[in-house]
Amino acid sequence: KAGVTQTPRYLIKTRGQQVTLSCSPISGHRSVSWYQQTPGQGLQFLFEYFSETQRNKGNFPGRFSGRQFSNSRSEMNVSTLELGDSALYLCASSFTGELTYEQYFGPGTRLTVT
Amino acid sequence: AQSVAQPEDQVNVAEGNPLTVKCTYSVSGNPYLFWYVQYPNRGLQFLLKYITGDNLVKGSYGFEAEFNKSQTSFHLKKPSALVSDSALYFCAVRILPSGNTPLVFGKGTRLSVIA
Repeated sequence: KAGVTQTPRYLIKTRGQQVTLSCSPISGHRSVSWYQQTPGQGLQFLFEYFSETQRNKGNFPGRFSGRQFSNSRSEMNVSTLELGDSALYLCASSFTGELTYEQYFGPGTRLTVT
Repeated sequence: AQSVAQPEDQVNVAEGNPLTVKCTYSVSGNPYLFWYVQYPNRGLQFLLKYITGDNLVKGSYGFEAEFNKSQTSFHLKKPSALVSDSALYFCAVRILPSGNTPLVFGKGTRLSVIA
């Protein structure tokens, strides 16, 4: 099976712009989660989707949003970018999203905001 | 609130020696515990998990972890370290049965295996 894919892999944006990141989960996986990874804060949970519904949301401002499509692919959007949004954004998929199931991570999208 | 701590930012070990990467957790219920590894410019890879049952869990690449409820720990171990084990290791926790709580990660421990 193909793994989790994320596009683009690298992105450079300017403050105030918006950005959309894409994630394609492993075939058959219906749960998709997003995380932000920075050297200072580590891995922080953004949100989780299951069957097109957001089931969980982390403590991020409303500038961060996401959605999931009927084919389980997911996108996250960050509007009005700030310098502090520079990070590695990781997407992870899971078979059902049940607590016992491990998540499989994509390679991430490295976003740089200048 | 659930949390997980990795008390060591960096662990150095000689190749062939046993390695331990420490993890402690704090949850109000019974935990689901996970270990992930991250290689440079890569996403996280799942190593192993503890759900219930035997306290010693075996995972990928020869790694194992021991769940200790009294000490609230879930240390990652390997009997003989390889240079290729050098990476960033994350411990993560979910609690049950509290619905769909997300994974909470520790800050990570950088393992360096020296030849």
